[in-house]
Amino acid sequence: AQTVTQSQPEMSVQEAETVTLSCTYDTSESDYYLFWYKQPPSRQMILVIRQEAYKQQNATENRFSVNFQKAAKSFSLKISDSQLGDAAMYFCAYRSPSKSGGGADGLTFGKGTHLIIQP
Amino acid sequence: NAGVMQNPRHLVRRRGQEARLRCSPMKGHSHVYWYRQLPEEGLKFMVYLQKENIIDESGMPKERFSAEFPKEGPSILRIQQVVRGDSAAYFCASSPGRTSKPQHFGDGTRLSIL
Repeated sequence: AQTVTQSQPEMSVQEAETVTLSCTYDTSESDYYLFWYKQPPSRQMILVIRQEAYKQQNATENRFSVNFQKAAKSFSLKISDSQLGDAAMYFCAYRSPSKSGGGADGLTFGKGTHLIIQP
Repeated sequence: NAGVMQNPRHLVRRRGQEARLRCSPMKGHSHVYWYRQLPEEGLKFMVYLQKENIIDESGMPKERFSAEFPKEGPSILRIQQVVRGDSAAYFCASSPGRTSKPQHFGDGTRLSIL
């Protein structure tokens, strides 16, 4: 079974600075998908960024980018120019292609990193 | 476009009662997933359904929990004879089914057991 580990329960960063959140995973599959989700105090789950394992290029979405190291099974999230609205729990998630049903299997989540933005 | 709709947002039940949580997927999505989030934890996968079919229920407790996604109407997660340990946030997600497409989440149902 796949596992996802987020080793930083909490991180703090000054507004406008850059912060990197760590995520490692364990899998024997060669093809899979990785995601970062954000959960603000409102408790919504908001997709931040995603990466297909077959793509070597790191995904980028505005101020958010990832450092995907497939051999090391590492998938860190970098947030540039941190803003107060970035304060939230951040969850790393793994998904393998479905073996049945034609869809995709459920996500495996890490335990999350609580990101605090210092004004 | 309406997102994934879950109701109720909050549900309070006494021990031994039944809880029914509803989820309407995004328009055009035929795949539904249920997750449970305990306090201070990440989300844990429970069950994956397509219309009228359970595809994967490997994360669902064997007793008291059931899920369905009928041909018409929302997906239902049903918990019978609730216990205090069932208190959690239950999230539903949907996707169009193609593996390249991400899951979109609803706002969750917070279940509290008295």
